[in-house]
Amino acid sequence: DTEVTQTPKHLVMGMTNKKSLKCEQHMGHRAMYWYKQKAKKPPELMFVYSYEKLSINESVPSRFSPECPNSSLLNLHLHALQPEDSALYLCASSPSDLLNTEAFFGQGTRLTVV
Amino acid sequence: GENVEQHPSTLSVQEGDSAVIKCTYSDSASNYFPWYKQELGKRPQLIIDIRSNVGEKKDQRIAVTLNKTAKHFSLHITETQPEDSAVYFCAAPPDNYGQNFVFGPGTRLSVLP
Repeated sequence: DTEVTQTPKHLVMGMTNKKSLKCEQHMGHRAMYWYKQKAKKPPELMFVYSYEKLSINESVPSRFSPECPNSSLLNLHLHALQPEDSALYLCASSPSDLLNTEAFFGQGTRLTVV
Repeated sequence: GENVEQHPSTLSVQEGDSAVIKCTYSDSASNYFPWYKQELGKRPQLIIDIRSNVGEKKDQRIAVTLNKTAKHFSLHITETQPEDSAVYFCAAPPDNYGQNFVFGPGTRLSVLP
C-alpha cells in the first residue's frame, strides 16, 4: 500500500463547529505532515510529526490542533474556524525526517467554513 | 528563512515541444531539490528530485539540472504531451534534514494539442 488516505474528502462546517480531519498511511513512514493549500497557491506547511511527536509547528493558530495517535494515523482537530481557513488540507508522509526524501501526499480534504 | 522563486509563472507550449521551468532558492545549506506535479483537483506528486552531489538527473522525458553555485535548478520536459498540463512546484528544504520544505509559487504548464 503506497497511499496516504484522507477523510473526509469534503467538509463544510460552521464557525462554531468542532470537526476532525483524518489521515492514514501504512507505508511504515515515521514522519507525517499537515499542509494547507489555498487556491492557486503552493502547499504551506502547518505541522510535522516525527516518530509520533510534534517536531514542527509553523506558528499555526490554536484553533487547529494536531494529534498523532500512532505511527499510522494523523488527525487535525478543528474548532472555531474562520471563513479564511477554507482551503485544501493535505496530509503527507515520508520515511523519516532524518534525511530529505520524497513526501507522499494524500488527496486532501477540501474544507469550507461558513 | 528559505525563499524559493519559480519562473515562469505560466507556460504554454505546443505538444511535442520542450518546456523548461527554473527555480531559485536562497539558503546555501539546501541539498535536496524535488519537483512536484499537481494536476487540477489532485494531490501533488513527486516527478523527479536531485541531491546536491550530482548536477543532472534524467528520467525518460523529464530531467532536472542543478547549479548549486548559482542556487538554481531547472525542470526540463521534452516531447511534451497534453497530460503534462498541470501546476509544477519546486521545493527546497532549509537544511539537510527535516521536511519543512518551502515550495515555490508554482508554474502552470499548458500543453496545447
